[in-house]
Amino acid sequence: AQKITQTQPGMFVQEKEAVTLDCTYDTSDPSYGLFWYKQPSSGEMIFLIYQGSYDQQNATEGRYSLNFQKARKSANLVISASQLGDSAMYFCAMREGRGYGQNFVFGPGTRLSVLP
Amino acid sequence: EAQVTQNPRYLITVTGKKLTVTCSQNMNHEYMSWYRQDPGLGLRQIYYSMNVEVTDKGDVPEGYKVSRKEKRNFPLILESPSPNQTSLYFCASSPRDSLARTEAFFGQGTRLTVV
Repeated sequence: AQKITQTQPGMFVQEKEAVTLDCTYDTSDPSYGLFWYKQPSSGEMIFLIYQGSYDQQNATEGRYSLNFQKARKSANLVISASQLGDSAMYFCAMREGRGYGQNFVFGPGTRLSVLP
Repeated sequence: EAQVTQNPRYLITVTGKKLTVTCSQNMNHEYMSWYRQDPGLGLRQIYYSMNVEVTDKGDVPEGYKVSRKEKRNFPLILESPSPNQTSLYFCASSPRDSLARTEAFFGQGTRLTVV
């Protein structure tokens, strides 16, 4: 069965520092996608970044990058130069291309607090 | 504007009074799903649908019903709500994608309180 693990319930980071949020996944499908979402205190789910299982390079989107280690089945989110507005819940998610009805499964989330 | 629309955004109801939370998307997506979010438990899937008339149970389907009679709509029905169904609910949609490259698009969320 699909499974996403986020082992850090909460993280603190100093403003302007970089932070890594961990995500490991489990799948036997060779075709899958990994996604990160941000949920600020206002509650909406904001898509941040995507990594495909066949992608050779790590995904980047502005200050967000994804440290994809396929053999270890990890897809950690790196936020560079943290800002106060980065304080939020962050969810890692996976979608299989062939199995499980192309369903999405989400991890439990990590609450990030950026300190001034 | 491409969007997923949930209604209502906020609802307070009493135990046992049937309610429906609507979800509609205007992107012609095949996949739709309902999640509930509770503190410390992340997003747990209730039901999902890969197409019209096709629905499957997620991780926490007890106490909920869904239907997918039209591609754009995926209502969540609580036949007899109980206080343990107090939660933040999200609807999401996405196109069918065998390469799994497309993200899920979320509605704004529905905060439900059952007293």
